[in-house]
Order: sequence, then C-alpha cells, then structure tokens
Amino acid sequence: DADVTQTPRNRITKTGKRIMLECSQTKGHDRMYWYRQDPGLGLQLIYYSFDVKDINKGEISDGYSVSRQAQAKFSLSLESAIPNQTALYFCATSDTPGGVGGSYNEQFFGPGTRLTVL
Amino acid sequence: DQQVKQNSPSLSVQEGRISILNCDYTNSMFDYFLWYKKYPAEGPTFLISISSIKDKNEDGRFTVFLNKSAKHLSLHIVPSQPGDSAVYFCAAKHSNYQLIWGAGTKLIIKP
Repeated sequence: DADVTQTPRNRITKTGKRIMLECSQTKGHDRMYWYRQDPGLGLQLIYYSFDVKDINKGEISDGYSVSRQAQAKFSLSLESAIPNQTALYFCATSDTPGGVGGSYNEQFFGPGTRLTVL
Repeated sequence: DQQVKQNSPSLSVQEGRISILNCDYTNSMFDYFLWYKKYPAEGPTFLISISSIKDKNEDGRFTVFLNKSAKHLSLHIVPSQPGDSAVYFCAAKHSNYQLIWGAGTKLIIKP
C-alpha cells in the first residue's frame, strides 16, 4: 500500500467551481506539504503544515486554502477555480527533526493529482 | 527569480556510460541539497542528498558533488541503466525546511 495517497488522481472542472484535493499518509509524519508543478517548471510550494495546529503559506498560496484535519490528512481547496490553476498537484510528507523516520530533510510524495480547469 | 536552476531540459546517454546532471543555485544560505527522480504518473522519489558541509556523497551508482564556491552541484550515475530514464529534480533546503526546486532534467538512456 502507498504511504502517501491522493484523491482524486485526475479531475476536470469548470471555471468558478470549488474543488478539494485530498491527501492521506500512513508514514506517521507530522509535516505535510502541497505543491503544484507546471510544465517546464519545478515544484512550487503552496502551503505546508508542521503539525495539526500549524498552517503556513508557501510561495504561491493565492487562490488556495488548506485544512489539516488530522495528523494523517491534509486537504487543498481551490475556492473558485480558474484556468491558470490547471497543473499537477503533489502532496508530500516529512519527518520532524529528531524523529525516527529517517532524515527529516527528505520529503515523501504522493502520486499526484492532475487538475484541469476549463 | 529562480534560486535553483537546471539548465539542461534533457540529456541523452548511452547505456553503460556516465550520466552527469547539473544544478546551479544562487542562495548561499541553502544548507542541504537533494536529488529526486520522477517517473511519469508518479510522484518524485528521493534519490540522494548532500549537506553543505560536505563536497561529495556516494550511494551505489549515484554520486553527488557539491562545489560551494561555484554554487554548483552535480549528480553522476555510473553506469547508466535503462531504468534510470526519468526526470531528475535538484532541490535545495532553506533553514526553515522549505525545499526550492529546479525545473528538472529529463534523462534518456539509450540501449
């Protein structure tokens, strides 16, 4: 079973619709991240959370919101989707410094959600 | 302003030869560097990393070299195998644990 899962894997929606992307992890990590990838660009950080009560904006948070429902769940919402939010979205997790899950510098990724906004 | 740059969008290498992937960065405060590998329809997977206090780290066929004065790192794969065909991302870590990513290099290993 995958350690980091994302649902849905693919989604096509229309401009103005509200969309939620979900991420679950079984790695026991406290830290979770949402990234987007556009063609020809690296991953850009949207939001990150270091524990259930902690939410931080990343490089490109405008137009997005997140919810950390539990240690294992981190969801990303597009309140009113627009075409330039068409991209590949990745969720990732990492351990806490001093944790037992390996190097805390490594991030572990889900398989991605391909979102198309028409 | 791209803080991490991978200037080669793609690289083609003969099977069995050495693959060298390059990455340049601009921020001298980065303290840790990572290489990730990505296959189509999958998320990136961690490959190898190096701390800024080292200049080389080796793991099997993979070696990462760091030249801090030039703000340059490279990933060497020897020998290259068909399964190495993938997109390789270089990432650099801020002290606040955020990763800054390069645009990736698509490596194609020719049989």
